[in-house]
Parts: sequence; structure tokens; C-alpha cells
Amino acid sequence: SYEVTQPPSVSVSPGQTASITCSGEKLGDKYASWYQLKPGQSPVLVIYQDSKRPSGIPERFSGSNSGNTATLTISGTQAMDEADYYCQAWDSSTVVFGGGTKLTVL
Amino acid sequence: QVQLQESGPGLVNPSETLSLTCAVSGYSISSGYYWGWIRQPPGKGLEWIGSIHHSGGTYYNPSLKSRVTISVDTSKNQFSLKLTSVTAADTAVYYCARQYASGMSGDYWGQGTLVTVSS
Repeated sequence: SYEVTQPPSVSVSPGQTASITCSGEKLGDKYASWYQLKPGQSPVLVIYQDSKRPSGIPERFSGSNSGNTATLTISGTQAMDEADYYCQAWDSSTVVFGGGTKLTVL
Repeated sequence: QVQLQESGPGLVNPSETLSLTCAVSGYSISSGYYWGWIRQPPGKGLEWIGSIHHSGGTYYNPSLKSRVTISVDTSKNQFSLKLTSVTAADTAVYYCARQYASGMSGDYWGQGTLVTVSS
């Protein structure tokens, strides 16, 4: 079965750029999505179809996907961006989530 | 504004069937998209359970397929989840979501409902 892998944690200083990766075989041939999940809240879609931002998502969130790796980039990271982030792909009629990355802003 | 709301028992006995419904407002299920169920066990990550198209076509997580049924009721604008033979491992927050057909990303999510499997 298809799998995507994320680093368990990423740390970033306020105002700096955070990059969270998602790796999977030929992931670049599939669409990647990214979700932000804060405690007690529902997941929020921040990137879909590799690089598109839903309405209401700040421009500091961007995405790319090529080869075996999709990347979520947060420019000018703010304290409010501290959360768990999950990548998601669609392969062989199956939705696959990564294990999640805890982003710490310190 | 599209809104989704999960409902169902918060406590289910082991070996019994978990049943949840997701009521959709602000958008007609018959108009398109896929409609899915996703869960998050305590302290763990997101797990996709399955998705259904308004026409009734379904996709299921292979690891749960033998126990899962997702159905849609367009007249009530809602869709439902049934998970049979539950165990403590099925304890989780269950979310329903609207999903794009291309890439199956979920753009609108319900608030989630905690279901505990325990006697």
C-alpha cells in the first residue's frame, strides 16, 4: 500500500521560513494536500492540488510537489502557525495521510 | 456557507456497530464532490475511513473495508457511516468532510465527534 512520510517535528523562529516535507514514491505524479490541525479544532485545508491556497488561507502558506517530495512552506512564520501539519495524497483509489509534523514556533 | 455536523452515540460497546451521520447544510450533496469520513485516535494521526459520491460510488480504506459501510441520503442531504465489530482501537474523534474529486482533499470539515468504545 502507498505511504507518505513526514518528519515528526520541525522548529522555526518567529518571522523565519518553515519547510515541512512529505515523501512518497513518485509523489510528484499525484496531487498533494496539506492540513493544519490545532488541539480541539477540526483540520483546516491550507494547500490543495500541490500549490493552491483555499480562500482565506494567508499568502505565507505555499506548496510544491516534484519527484518524490511535496513541501509545505510557511514564510514569515507566526506564533499562530504552531500546530500539527498533515500531508495527504490520493493513490489507487485510496486517501493516504502522512503521520503528521508538529511545528513549533520558538 | 457550507457546514457539516456529525451526530451519533458517543459510547459504543465492544463488538457492536458504530453509526454516525453527517448532516450537510449550505450545499446540496447531489451537486457534486465526494463526502468522506476521517478519524483521529487519541494521541495519533489522521486516518481516512472512506468516501462516497452523491451517485453512491464508494471508496474505502483497505484496512477497514471489511467493516465499513458509507451511504448517502440525498433527500435528507446527509451521509452516514457504519463500522461493525468495534474494539477499543476504534476509539477516536470522527470527522466528516467534503472532498474534491481531484486529489480528494477536504475543504470543509465537521467539528468532529468523539466516539469511545468501552463496556
